[in-house]
Amino acid sequence: GAGVSQSPSNKVTEKGKDVELRCDPISGHTALYWYRQSLGQGLEFLIYFQGNSAPDKSGLPSDRFSAERTGGSVSTLTIQRTQQEDSAVYLCASTYPSTSVWETQYFGPGTRLLVL
Amino acid sequence: DAKTTQPNSMESNEEEPVHLPCNHSTISGTDYIHWYRQLPSQGPEYVIHGLTSNVNNRMASLAIAEDRKSSTLILHRATLRDAAVYYCILRDVGGAQKLVFGQGTRLTINP
Repeated sequence: GAGVSQSPSNKVTEKGKDVELRCDPISGHTALYWYRQSLGQGLEFLIYFQGNSAPDKSGLPSDRFSAERTGGSVSTLTIQRTQQEDSAVYLCASTYPSTSVWETQYFGPGTRLLVL
Repeated sequence: DAKTTQPNSMESNEEEPVHLPCNHSTISGTDYIHWYRQLPSQGPEYVIHGLTSNVNNRMASLAIAEDRKSSTLILHRATLRDAAVYYCILRDVGGAQKLVFGQGTRLTINP
């Protein structure tokens, strides 16, 4: 079946502009995660959505970052007033169920963001 | 989550077995050992996980030391497609759902 999809694949923007990154999780998956992979920083958690519960935003690096998940499916990660240090690959993952520590997270291909 | 230590890089030859080590000396009794890998230009993908006993699946085997302070991911017959960064991750049964990635081991497979 269809996996996690993300769009756009690549995004180039100018410093100070806002960007929106989209994630379509696997159908029926109740949990959705955003991660960021920066050169030299490795993979880091950003935010986690589970059903109708309040999201875990503990990984968001600043208040310029926000995310929404509409209708329990598609999610949008928004970065306002982008900075050059925001350049990274932004990865989305989904899973079902989410209450088990052994559940597999399925990752999308990522969006490569370059801030000039 | 407890910390894991892996070699930065390893190299092996095609069609030979590969043993990828992971040290986790501070592992707790409720930590599961997970392995993910990330192929070039792709998102990470699940490989295998275990708690105490050795585990096998179609991708790999996981050998867990008796004291659980280390584990080894075994690729029985490496192919060029197995070239990737391999991450060993501990997940507490009562902890957060997020994955905490370390630096991983970059595996190179020679033809």
